[in-house]
Amino acid sequence: QSVLTQPPSASGTPGQKVTISCSGSSFIIGRNYVNWYQQLPGTAPKLLIYANDQRPSGVPDRFSGSKSGTSASLAISGLQSEDEADYYCAAWDDSLSGYAVFGGGTQLSVL
Amino acid sequence: QVQLQESGPGLVKPSETLSLTCTVSGASISGYYWSWIRQSPGKGLEWIGYIYYRGSINYNPSLKSRLTISVDASKNQFSLRLNSVTAADTAFYYCAGGYSEWSAAFDFWGQGTMVTVSS
Repeated sequence: QSVLTQPPSASGTPGQKVTISCSGSSFIIGRNYVNWYQQLPGTAPKLLIYANDQRPSGVPDRFSGSKSGTSASLAISGLQSEDEADYYCAAWDDSLSGYAVFGGGTQLSVL
Repeated sequence: QVQLQESGPGLVKPSETLSLTCTVSGASISGYYWSWIRQSPGKGLEWIGYIYYRGSINYNPSLKSRLTISVDASKNQFSLRLNSVTAADTAFYYCAGGYSEWSAAFDFWGQGTMVTVSS
């Protein structure tokens, strides 16, 4: 079991808006930034959103992140076929000596 | 443009030590926090640990007893050693870099290298 909980799958049709959730405890998501990664098939993950809602240079503004309390969300608007990928949330866990934790991942299908 | 490249054996015998090196190009190793992250086949991501060139280190508690991460600034490289491996350590191993300590934001990733633990 992952410390951060994501739905295992999500789907949408081209042009739609899809939202992927990530929930965790108060001392993980509640206290720390949430980051999102996109992993296309056969490739390394890519940072998509950092610090809850910031996009690295080059990431389209179709991708947006938000956080409220102990949950975070990744929204993808204007869904495109190339968005079909696995999406992971990640955050810092302050317990013990502190370490990074990932969600179990959400496989997004573009129908 | 920061580029990372993992290198090391693709096959390790059970109970032996897994050793990987990540070579950083396009940036000085002194500017970032460098992590190892792994992904078992068909599974999710697991953070292994990070190191900063001045010696700040943080390990995943579940791996800490078997783990050593080190940095060689003269070669712009950092390395992973995981001892007493079992089949459960079979995974794609990625090296990654980020700007901040105590952060799960990894801005740069290597392409990954598959390591199989088998006799």
